[in-house]
Amino acid sequence: AQKITQTQPGMFVQEKEAVTLDCTYDTSDPSYGLFWYKQPSSGEMIFLIYQGSYDQQNATEGRYSLNFQKARKSANLVISASQLGDSAMYFCAMRRPGGSYIPTFGRGTSLIVHP
Amino acid sequence: GAVVSQHPSRVICKSGTSVKIECRSLDFQATTMFWYRQFPKKSLMLMATSNEGSKATYEQGVEKDKFLINHASLTLSTLTVTSAHPEDSSFYICSASVPRDEAFFGQGTRLTVV
Repeated sequence: AQKITQTQPGMFVQEKEAVTLDCTYDTSDPSYGLFWYKQPSSGEMIFLIYQGSYDQQNATEGRYSLNFQKARKSANLVISASQLGDSAMYFCAMRRPGGSYIPTFGRGTSLIVHP
Repeated sequence: GAVVSQHPSRVICKSGTSVKIECRSLDFQATTMFWYRQFPKKSLMLMATSNEGSKATYEQGVEKDKFLINHASLTLSTLTVTSAHPEDSSFYICSASVPRDEAFFGQGTRLTVV
């Protein structure tokens, strides 16, 4: 069975500092995709970054980067130069095996950025 | 990126009535859309997969007669909560996938049943 684990229910970071949000996964499928989404208090889900299991390099999107360690089955999100607007829930997700595009979500990490 | 529009964003209804939530893909055709339910401070729980022109596939434990899903066109899927009760109060969110594996989400609907 596929599983996503986010062990940090909440994280605090000072504005302008970097923060790492942890995500580990478990799957027996050799082909999978990993996503990170941001959910502010408004509720919308905002796509941040994607990493394919066969991608050679770690994904980066602006201030977001994904520390993908395949052997450890981890896909941590690194946010550099945190901003107050980064305060939100962050969800790690994995595309289900079998070719479907349905993501399975972790429990989420609440990030609070302090001024 | 692709845009998915969900309407309404908030709805309050009386117990026993039905509520329809719409999910539209605005700039792409979505043969498959997904409906999620999210409880406060919890993760997203997949309710069903909506396939254009065919019956929806419901996850285990989700009542198909309670949560009616219709995917009549490539750009519209609807979720109808029938005979709503206070325990149906929740945040409902839809998403649609595009070929490069990314899932785009609607803005979500906060349903309150009084």
